[in-house]
Amino acid sequence: SQTIHQWPATLVQPVGSPLSLECTVEGTSNPNLYWYRQAAGRGLQLLFYSVGIGQISSEVPQNLSASRPQDRQFILSSKKLLLSDSGFYLCAWGDSGTPSNYGYTFGSGTRLTVV
Amino acid sequence: AQSVTQPDIHITVSEGASLELRCNYSYGATPYLFWYVQSPGQGLQLLLKYFSGDTLVQGIKGFEAEFKRSQSSFNLRKPSVHWSDAAEYFCAVGSYSGGGADGLTFGKGTHLIIQP
Repeated sequence: SQTIHQWPATLVQPVGSPLSLECTVEGTSNPNLYWYRQAAGRGLQLLFYSVGIGQISSEVPQNLSASRPQDRQFILSSKKLLLSDSGFYLCAWGDSGTPSNYGYTFGSGTRLTVV
Repeated sequence: AQSVTQPDIHITVSEGASLELRCNYSYGATPYLFWYVQSPGQGLQLLLKYFSGDTLVQGIKGFEAEFKRSQSSFNLRKPSVHWSDAAEYFCAVGSYSGGGADGLTFGKGTHLIIQP
């Protein structure tokens, strides 16, 4: 069965420090991968998605970047964190093989607090 | 552009009472619709989804949802809630075109509180 791993679970970082969040998927190949951010009272915002190695689409211009160095690995990064980057970050993989399988499975999330 | 509206930010229901969470969407074609549940500090768990066929969809944990195209709605229901149902509920819409790569658009969520 397919599983998605996301770490770390919590992170406290000072303003101006770098960031690296990692997400890996097991049990599937060539998944669509997504990074979402959840801020209080604002629902989930799609940040990046990737349909293959090295292919990244950005939905919202901001202080973050994403990379996909391997088929089942998706990384969210920042060179210098801002206070506004605080939030709950969720990785997801999408099964789009057939319409009946279409859906998204989410990781357990990373709570990022920038201080 | 697609959008999802969940008009109720908070809903309080007594344990054992029935529940209906509202969701309205805006989408130009036939949408794929989802309901997810999130417990505090956790990821999202899929409750159910609709993509075609029967407009009444059964999900996990005793939930169901009905797709009403004329009202652009996909409301979530449960006949009798349990204290463990207290959580945040998200409605989402997506498109399968392009292999579903574009991601889901989520509503802002409804926080469900269960009174004893």
